[in-house]
Amino acid sequence: NAGVTQTPKFQVLKTGQSMTLQCAQDMNHEYMSWYRQDPGMGLRLIHYSVGAGITDQGEVPNGYNVSRSTTEDFPLRLLSAAPSQTSVYFCASSLTSGPYNEQFFGPGTRLTVL
Amino acid sequence: DAKTTQPTSMDCAEGRAANLPCNHSTISGNEYVYWYRQIHSQGPQYIIHGLKNNETNEMASLIITEDRKSSTLILPHATLRDTAVYYCIVRSGAGNNRKLIWGLGTSLAVNP
Repeated sequence: NAGVTQTPKFQVLKTGQSMTLQCAQDMNHEYMSWYRQDPGMGLRLIHYSVGAGITDQGEVPNGYNVSRSTTEDFPLRLLSAAPSQTSVYFCASSLTSGPYNEQFFGPGTRLTVL
Repeated sequence: DAKTTQPTSMDCAEGRAANLPCNHSTISGNEYVYWYRQIHSQGPQYIIHGLKNNETNEMASLIITEDRKSSTLILPHATLRDTAVYYCIVRSGAGNNRKLIWGLGTSLAVNP
């Protein structure tokens, strides 16, 4: 199994540009989520999904959209990038959303918005 | 939502046990304690979790106090590869809200 994969690894955008961060998992996990990590702060949840067709907002959802059309994929869309979205983004998945399931994290996407 | 408090940094000699404390005094009865670690620039990695009883796996042991207000992660024989930031997290929410609240963690340096 490849686990959780993310593309791209690095990205530089200009303010106002749009892009999609890709996340895929091959473990048949129901639960997937997106986090951002900024210096001096813990990971913060952006959006999450408990299954295909179901998504919900996390702690910091503004400026980001998600969809979950398949179990495997959970893309994160930035419609109009802002410098405040410069961050490292991590995608994670777990078998279910239950309390006894570990989350598996991808390697991250390092995004810079100029 | 329950919060956690961890020391900012710790040092440990290679081959010795590393004991990482965590305070979660506001934890509720059905909340689990999770430990993850993040090696520089990588995604976080799950270590262990527990509810009431002490837990052990191939990576570490988790000791939870009887009142559940604090816990300790034990790496029995720390190696240089254990140098990382260690996060103690309490799972919050119910129903479909499955967010984990992440703090800043403890930066553990294992020294030769």
